[in-house]
Amino acid sequence: QLQLQESGPGLVKPSETLSLTCTVSGDSIFSSSYYWGWIRQPPGKGLDWIGSVYYTGSAYLNPSLKSRVTISVDTSKNHFSLKVTSMSAADTALYYCARHVAIVGSTYYFDSWGQGTLVAVSS
Amino acid sequence: QSALTQPASVSGSPGQSITISCTGTSRDVGGYKYVSWYQQHPGKAPKLMIFDVNNRPSGVSNRFSGSKSGNTASLTISGLQAEDEADYYCSSYRDNTTPNWVFGGGTKLTVL
Repeated sequence: QLQLQESGPGLVKPSETLSLTCTVSGDSIFSSSYYWGWIRQPPGKGLDWIGSVYYTGSAYLNPSLKSRVTISVDTSKNHFSLKVTSMSAADTALYYCARHVAIVGSTYYFDSWGQGTLVAVSS
Repeated sequence: QSALTQPASVSGSPGQSITISCTGTSRDVGGYKYVSWYQQHPGKAPKLMIFDVNNRPSGVSNRFSGSKSGNTASLTISGLQAEDEADYYCSSYRDNTTPNWVFGGGTKLTVL
């Protein structure tokens, strides 16, 4: 059974860099049918796609966050990671990782999600 | 402001049917079949309910159905049950300079 688990600090200071990791169990990141994505949800608000990475390391990023975001993958550890630089209060959110079914020209959706990790930005 | 527009709230009585709309543009909802819907109960992760406009994943009740007309997609829940009370989000592939994915602002469903 597929499981995704986010890990990382719950508190980040303004201007610092956030680093999160999503560990995947029950499936291999090394798959041609999936990307692996990050989505965030500010408290009381809606979902916001951050970006998705393929096992090759190729990534698609939200244009509004692209300048501050890096998503990478480590197939040897079966996990993928998110870095967001220059964090501010506006980045306070619940951060989810998800399996992103992405078959080019055929189908795209997020079929399995982690439980999420809350990240607060405060000094 | 979210990329896709959903009503903030809808409500219905047990046994009734409700429909949640999701309006985008020709660059997303109107241009592709890649619309999906997610259910989120309080304190829980989103759960995929519909993909590719009108397909249900295994295990999702057939009381949930999806459709699309022009730039607006819809999620219909028939035979409302108390357990359906949750937030619902639509999502679509969007054709930009590079592929990206957008969400609606979410709709709170209240079962009266």
